[in-house]
Amino acid sequence: GAGVSQTPSNKVTEKGKYVELRCDPISGHTALYWYRQSLGQGPEFLIYFQGTGAADDSGLPNDRFFAVRPEGSVSTLKIQRTERGDSAVYLCASSWGQGGDQETQYFGPGTRLLVL
Amino acid sequence: DAKTTQPTSMDCAEGRAANLPCNHSTISGNEYVYWYRQIHSQGPQYIIHGLKNNETNEMASLIITEDRKSSTLILPHATLRDTAVYYCIVRVVRNTDKLIFGTGTRLQVFP
Repeated sequence: GAGVSQTPSNKVTEKGKYVELRCDPISGHTALYWYRQSLGQGPEFLIYFQGTGAADDSGLPNDRFFAVRPEGSVSTLKIQRTERGDSAVYLCASSWGQGGDQETQYFGPGTRLLVL
Repeated sequence: DAKTTQPTSMDCAEGRAANLPCNHSTISGNEYVYWYRQIHSQGPQYIIHGLKNNETNEMASLIITEDRKSSTLILPHATLRDTAVYYCIVRVVRNTDKLIFGTGTRLQVFP
């Protein structure tokens, strides 16, 4: 079946611009996660959705970052007034969201954001 | 902060077993050990997880010490395609909490 997909795969923007990154989770997965990965580091958590609501947004670095999931499926990560330090790979993951023994997060390929 | 420590890098000859260690000395009784790997330019891929018993699936085996303070991921016959960064993570499985990644072990499989 289809995995987690993310678009665009690459995004180049200029400092100060606004960007949107999209994530399509695996069908039926109620939990959706955003992570950010800088070069040479492991992924860092940003935000987690259970259905339409953000259950944990403690990883968002500042108020320039915002994410939505209006219908409980597709999610969009929005970054305002981009800065060069926002350059990273943005990863999306989804899981069933039931919290059982087989709760596993499945990751998409990521969006590589470069802010010039 | 990550609750695990792993060697920065390891090498393994193709066809040999790759044994990747992980130290998680502060693990709690309700925390599982998870392993993910990340091949260059791809998202992390789930490999295996376990609580206290050894586990095996089609990808790997997981050996957890009796005191649960450390574990070893075993790739029985490493191939060049197993070259990746391997992350050991501890988490409570009965919730949907975030994963906390460390810097992982970079495994290089050579011919």
